[in-house]
Amino acid sequence: GQQVMQIPQYQHVQEGEDFTTYCNSSTTLSNIQWYKQRPGGHPVFLIQLVKSGEVKKQKRLTFQFGEAKKNSSLHITATQTTDVGTYFCAAPSGGSYIPTFGRGTSLIVHP
Amino acid sequence: DVKVTQSSRYLVKRTGEKVFLECVQDMDHENMFWYRQDPGLGLRLIYFSYDVKMKEKGDIPEGYSVSREKKERFSLILESASTNQTSMYLCASTREDSHNEQFFGPGTRLTVL
Repeated sequence: GQQVMQIPQYQHVQEGEDFTTYCNSSTTLSNIQWYKQRPGGHPVFLIQLVKSGEVKKQKRLTFQFGEAKKNSSLHITATQTTDVGTYFCAAPSGGSYIPTFGRGTSLIVHP
Repeated sequence: DVKVTQSSRYLVKRTGEKVFLECVQDMDHENMFWYRQDPGLGLRLIYFSYDVKMKEKGDIPEGYSVSREKKERFSLILESASTNQTSMYLCASTREDSHNEQFFGPGTRLTVL
């Protein structure tokens, strides 16, 4: 089953509003990755977080890894229509080194 | 520019047919993966391969098999397609030392009638 729980499943925002998606795990994660999938496209790697409390930024996107390494978030400031898509987190599960994907959060931006 | 290609974007097959989905990567990656993607379920791992002729089951291998005869090519086989295998199939690859930055192909939308 899914190791990482991702919420919300959908998020509608007005263009210019902020957006956040969350991934939570009951166990400590060694690392976590984030991907973006545009409508009709394939997932594209955005970033990997490894360290406890790590924060990374890519323009309007801010990625955080919790202090306990059990949760992570992706925050988009002032959304644009180009941000539309599904955002996935992925993290290795159990003793495997292969990441398990969360179910994704679909972002819909209304102009 | 790294590239993962899949043999078809859209495929329609009938129940009981044998189906081959092909994936080729030009990055000399050791690891290759097959996922299926269904609405609300995210990406679920079917099989992966960490070397030529090597394969490991993922989370949902039932009804599927794989073949990796060459490093650059990873094939997914549906021995006898069923309607519940209608889905989007995504192939991905990674370097040997990193399973975490996956490069995905464009996907194959398979419909089984």
